[in-house]
Amino acid sequence: GAVVSQHPSWVICKSGTSVKIECRSLDFQATTMFWYRQFPKQSLMLMATSNEGSKATYEQGVEKDKFLINHASLTLSTLTVTSAHPEDSSFYICSAQSKLNQPQHFGDGTRLSIL
Amino acid sequence: QKEVEQNSGPLSVPEGAIASLNCTYSDRGSQSFFWYRQYSGKSPELIMFIYSNGDKEDGRFTAQLNKASQYVSLLIRDSQPSDSATYLCAVNVVAGNNRKLIWGLGTSLAVNP
Repeated sequence: GAVVSQHPSWVICKSGTSVKIECRSLDFQATTMFWYRQFPKQSLMLMATSNEGSKATYEQGVEKDKFLINHASLTLSTLTVTSAHPEDSSFYICSAQSKLNQPQHFGDGTRLSIL
Repeated sequence: QKEVEQNSGPLSVPEGAIASLNCTYSDRGSQSFFWYRQYSGKSPELIMFIYSNGDKEDGRFTAQLNKASQYVSLLIRDSQPSDSATYLCAVNVVAGNNRKLIWGLGTSLAVNP
């Protein structure tokens, strides 16, 4: 149980392109989803928290106009990296949570490379 | 600033031994605590979670929580080479209208055959 599917797993695209990443909870309803970014050999960095039907809450320093988050249903959240540049290249990981204080379950991550 | 601290390691144990991983946290109001395992290049995988003081066992893993000392640990019995990974301690904290996890930097574990 508690399976989270994240697509795509790997994206390579040109600078200036917008990239959409999907995160789905397959066997539970996720009231809250989280988006993280992780650079090589560094810890997870929370980018934003999204609740179904509400605007996402972004962490300090994360540009909301660059990283658009939509949590339209209890099983789907999307992260769109708009006008991506090489410095946006990173490992993006989503997680989903059914209730407060319950564990977060992670997708397999999306490796984004901007040329 | 709410913090979670872990020894970065590497912690090296022989195969079959007990690995002991430790974590301290600063927010006394925290109510839920998690251990995740992360292999290189992969996303975190939930190992254990604990809410109450004391021990919680699941197979070869035991999580221990002491809220008075603000301390949580993970014991891995009969360690296997496949347990070699980075172990992340995470603590749930209140953040505005939400809750979020504060993460330790992780302890690297190497189990030697």
